[in-house]
Amino acid sequence: QKEVEQDPGPLSVPEGAIVSLNCTYSNSAFQYFMWYRQYSRKGPELLMYTYSSGNKEDGRFTAQVDKSSKYISLFIRDSQPSDSATYLCAMTAGDYKLSFGAGTTVTVRA
Amino acid sequence: NAGVTQTPKFQVLKTGQSMTLQCAQDMNHNSMYWYRQDPGMGLRLIYYSASEGTTDKGEVPNGYNVSRLNKREFSLRLESAAPSQTSVYFCAGGQSETQYFGPGTRLLVL
Repeated sequence: QKEVEQDPGPLSVPEGAIVSLNCTYSNSAFQYFMWYRQYSRKGPELLMYTYSSGNKEDGRFTAQVDKSSKYISLFIRDSQPSDSATYLCAMTAGDYKLSFGAGTTVTVRA
Repeated sequence: NAGVTQTPKFQVLKTGQSMTLQCAQDMNHNSMYWYRQDPGMGLRLIYYSASEGTTDKGEVPNGYNVSRLNKREFSLRLESAAPSQTSVYFCAGGQSETQYFGPGTRLLVL
């Protein structure tokens, strides 16, 4: 079993819809939780990071962490075609080692 | 301010050949990382360097060596390339929870 599980999709939504992405994990030592966006043939770009449980909002993006359920989510409101990318969750106990999900490919249709 | 740069962008090797992937960062981060990305596997840590002069193995270090030449540069060497090392390689700089990635090197080993 992988340490971090993420549904690879693909996920296709119409423009303006809410995109919901999630990951589950097994290592209770994880304290930092990140979401990266990766456009085709580019490097991952850090979108958001959250420490411990709770919610964090940044513009159209909301990240949620539920450590009791070992479950994290990313919501994208008012999705745009420019949001079409692969979204990677990542997490760490703070020891330099990131564990990544496999990534979910999202397409926002105009 | 280029962030993290990697060379080359693309390389084809024959089995048994050697090569060095170069990475440089201009963000003054102490820590640097090398990952490989394979379909369905997410990003996996090969080696990392917490600070200048130190290097440590990650999840998949076999077949690779690294050198932290100075604070800016962190190179990855394949001494005898194998087809299993066909992948996209990413270098990153930053703390464990806020890593910034380069554009990647696509490596094909025949």
